[in-house]
Amino acid sequence: EDKVVQSPLSLVVHEGDTVTLNCSYEVTNFRSLLWYKQEKKAPTFLFMLTSSGIEKKSGRLSSILDKKELFSILNITATQTGDSAIYLCAVFLYIGSARQLTFGSGTQLTVLP
Amino acid sequence: EAGVTQFPSHSVIEKGQTVTLRCDPISGHDNLYWYRRVMGKEIKFLLHFVKESKQDESGMPNNRFLAERTGGTYSTLKVQPAELEDSGVYFCASSQVGGSGANVLTFGAGSRLTVL
Repeated sequence: EDKVVQSPLSLVVHEGDTVTLNCSYEVTNFRSLLWYKQEKKAPTFLFMLTSSGIEKKSGRLSSILDKKELFSILNITATQTGDSAIYLCAVFLYIGSARQLTFGSGTQLTVLP
Repeated sequence: EAGVTQFPSHSVIEKGQTVTLRCDPISGHDNLYWYRRVMGKEIKFLLHFVKESKQDESGMPNNRFLAERTGGTYSTLKVQPAELEDSGVYFCASSQVGGSGANVLTFGAGSRLTVL
């Protein structure tokens, strides 16, 4: 069965800290790995990773994929209270003509002032 | 650009009743997906439309769930009759067909369903 595992499940830090969120996967028919941020309602897209070793960066957030070891990390530097959210990792699978995202359980990040 | 819109945001019904959830995807997005998160679990795939056709409905839990997308625009997800275990948040997502954008799903805010 396809599986995406995120760690830690929750994390509490103070503003200014750097955090690393982990995502490992065991899936067949891997196509890409996506990170989403969910604050109150809709998950919002952060990054899509398809190739190993190429870092994607957006402001204080960055992410990288290792397709050999089957994991990805999401880094957030100089955290702010607005970074508090659930961070979701999902793997996009192509199974014939079917297209599915398989999600991890998420990491709940709390940034204290 | 308007995002993915879902209605209602929250529905409370009794066991045995019927509920219909609606999703309006981003205009021009032919891919439309339904996902669900039940309490304490991860978000799970339900089904995938390409335009009005069901591409993959392998995630639908049972025949009490019926999804439609007549005309290839908005979609509805009907639960009839609802059971307690159907409680959760139902997310809709859409994406364009083709290119790397096909893998980037834009999610709606979700419809929270509570079955009493």
